[in-house]
Amino acid sequence: ILNVEQSPQSLHVQEGDSTNFTCSFPSSNFYALHWYRWETAKSPEALFVMTLNGDEKKKGRISATLNTKEGYSYLYIKGSQPEDSATYLCAFHNTDKLIFGTGTRLQVFP
Amino acid sequence: NAGVTQTPKFQVLKTGQSMTLQCAQDMNHEYMSWYRQDPGMGLRLIHYSVGAGITDQGEVPNGYNVSRSTTEDFPLRLLSAAPSQTSVYFCASGREPTLDGYTFGSGTRLTVV
Repeated sequence: ILNVEQSPQSLHVQEGDSTNFTCSFPSSNFYALHWYRWETAKSPEALFVMTLNGDEKKKGRISATLNTKEGYSYLYIKGSQPEDSATYLCAFHNTDKLIFGTGTRLQVFP
Repeated sequence: NAGVTQTPKFQVLKTGQSMTLQCAQDMNHEYMSWYRQDPGMGLRLIHYSVGAGITDQGEVPNGYNVSRSTTEDFPLRLLSAAPSQTSVYFCASGREPTLDGYTFGSGTRLTVV
């Protein structure tokens, strides 16, 4: 059983705060680590795909890092805005299947 | 370019009935997967495929069948619906998972009474 864990489960922050989430995954048979953003009543949308140890990806105010040796990835949001409110999912790609964590639900209050 | 199309969007079944959830993609993606979403459980993998003619079981395959006769289509069959299969089902497809993320359909909300 592949165990992908995310923490915290939920987070409430004020507009302008910076925040970060953690994803831990098995360090063996690693192919890729995905991050998705999932807004209520919509479908998940891909943010980043990372494959190499030490990878860093950035899209606007959101960035992610990857450590494959110890099996973790961080997602950072700088200066959170209300429109960042969503569930953030990480997913571990092992050989031929993509396994998701349970997500971190972020709510940003004005 | 329609992306990933799932039908139906909503369905109510009686216990013991069978049905097929349809999933089609027009992006020539090799990888396709079915997930179910339940409160507090995230997305759990039911079945997946890495190309036409190739399917395999995910984390929660019991009670479901799949086939992949073409690259475009990946239907999910419920053989004999049970209340425990009440869930939201998502189909997703991907080109190359080390390069691109998966594209998700809009989901099918299934209720089994």
